Amino acid sequence: GDSVTQMEGPVTLSEEAFLTINCTYTATGYPSLFWYVQYPGEGLQLLLKATKADDKGSNKGFEATYRKETTSFHLEKGSVQVSDSAVYFCALSGASGIQGAQKLVFGQGTRLTINP
Amino acid sequence: GAVVSQHPSWVICKSGTSVKIECRSLDFQATTMFWYRQFPKQSLMLMATSNEGSKATYEQGVEKDKFLINHASLTLSTLTVTSAHPEDSSFYICSAPRRYEQYFGPGTRLTVT
Repeated sequence: GDSVTQMEGPVTLSEEAFLTINCTYTATGYPSLFWYVQYPGEGLQLLLKATKADDKGSNKGFEATYRKETTSFHLEKGSVQVSDSAVYFCALSGASGIQGAQKLVFGQGTRLTINP
Repeated sequence: GAVVSQHPSWVICKSGTSVKIECRSLDFQATTMFWYRQFPKQSLMLMATSNEGSKATYEQGVEKDKFLINHASLTLSTLTVTSAHPEDSSFYICSAPRRYEQYFGPGTRLTVT
């Protein structure tokens, strides 16, 4: 079945450092890929998404490119801030049907802590 | 943006009792909602798909008689953990789709003593 593998955390960085969180997937067909963020005490929020190969999703300075050849969707940010401290989840959804209604398969999550 | 709420946010119950968790879409209607379970420092695992007006669809390995799901209206789905045991202690999260995007509730922490 479909699966998502994320780099294990926790990850601790200093403010303004460069961030990469690796994510690879296995899936049949052509899934959509997502990064969700979970801030302390809050629900998951969609950070960015990409629906086809070579698409780049971006939001709040974060970027991720859908790489079909390497089955990857790594999350990057050039200069992190303390407010970026959260848990980040990579996820995929199936290729058919209304994407929003498709079941999501999540990676294990990566806890990120940014120190001032 | 779209908002999904859950109630309660945390609950402690005794072993053998049942607990009901509510998931509401506050400003939109959802014919489908999803229930996830999250263990400490682990990922979210889909438990079931809640379908308004029909039976829920359970993922493999999830006991449907233990985790009762009712989607009584277009804005409310409930998950009832029946005869709860300590191993049912977990963080339960629901989500609802709107316009090709999933919106998640803040989660419910269940502790069974």
